[in-house]
Order: sequence, then C-alpha cells, then structure tokens
Amino acid sequence: DSGVTQTPKHLITATGQRVTLRCSPRSGDLSVYWYQQSLDQGLQFLIQYYNGEERAKGNILERFSAQQFPDLHSELNLSSLELGDSALYFCASSVRPRAEQFFGPGTRLTVL
Amino acid sequence: AQTVTQSQPEMSVQEAETVTLSCTYDTSESDYYLFWYKQPPSRQMILVIRQEAYKQQNATENRFSVNFQKAAKSFSLKISDSQLGDAAMYFCAYRSAQDNAGNMLTFGGGTRLMVKP
Repeated sequence: DSGVTQTPKHLITATGQRVTLRCSPRSGDLSVYWYQQSLDQGLQFLIQYYNGEERAKGNILERFSAQQFPDLHSELNLSSLELGDSALYFCASSVRPRAEQFFGPGTRLTVL
Repeated sequence: AQTVTQSQPEMSVQEAETVTLSCTYDTSESDYYLFWYKQPPSRQMILVIRQEAYKQQNATENRFSVNFQKAAKSFSLKISDSQLGDAAMYFCAYRSAQDNAGNMLTFGGGTRLMVKP
C-alpha cells in the first residue's frame, strides 16, 4: 500500500457523460501527478500540481481538467467522454517535485 | 522531448534463472533519473529500482540490478534468481532533473515478463 488513495476503483459510464476521479496523496506530499494508461497510448503523463498550483502539463485533452484543493487532494474531471477515454487513470504523489513518486491503485474507467 | 523505448514486448524466464530486460532512451539532457517499475496483475505500479545519471555506479536492490550505459543511452534491468512473483509488466521510465522541466515520468511501452515454474 503506497498511501495514495484513489476513488472510485471502477467507473462505467456512457459516451458524452462527465466523470470526476479523486485522489488523496500520501500524508505530507505536496505534489500530485495524473497519468493515463491505455492500450493505444501506453502510460502517459497528463498533469502535475504542486501545493495547489499547476506545475506541468502533458498530453491532456481540452475535455479534461484537474485541480488540487487546499487540503491537497486532487480531482481529474473528464467530460464529453468518448470510447477512447476508456483507460486506467493513475494518481501519484511526492513530497516535493523532484522526489520519488508513489502511485495509487488507479481508477479503471470504462466508457460504453 | 525525451523518449523511452523497450524493444522486447514479451520475455520469459525459467524460475531461478536470470533475465535481462532492455531499455533505451533519447535525451539531450545531462542530468536525469531512470527507473524501472513493475506492474503485476493487480495493476499497482511498484518502483523496483532507480538510477541517477550522474552516478557511474550501477544501482542494485537485492535480486534486481541495472546496467546503465550513459553514452549509449541504455538502461537494462537484470533479475537474478527469478521467482514466480516476478511475473509482471515492467516499465522503464525517465525523469528530468531540471527544475524547469516538470517532474513527470516518461514511460516506455513495457515488457511482459513470464516466469516458468
């Protein structure tokens, strides 16, 4: 158990819908990262937050957005869902940007 | 942009034998970190080993060791005395050490390791 929690574990929804994935970092970790793992794209970085501020952006679609709240938990919002958005979404956290990243168990999103 | 390539989609090894997984990367940076992550069927991402580019000595963690060749941009993982629990997907990953580069991990496509009893 890495100490990073993600909810829900599984999510099944329909095309066109909007979902929110939640991540609670390890106690004391200020930086949160979101990654997407899909069959087509492999594992790719989406976005990073540090202490509430966006720090880096990867291949994140405009339909996706994220934020980190004052209590340091983070949410990833996915809207206008398409079949291709079906993937495993990981959250990782680290105590500071250049420190080790610890991964949560992931949220499996299925878009039907 | 950095890229990471794992040229072996699948590998198999006999229990108790040794196996080496390959990884190459492309970067123009001189300071960076390299990692091997294990993803078992549970899908959890588990850090196996890390290597700082400025260190010439190869990292080791128990049965896991790396062969880091900076000039060749090669970073292979050797698993000794393979165990059934080593069966998993293994991902090679790169992370810049530059402050302004973000701290994201760039992953290779993965190698599925099967361990035969």
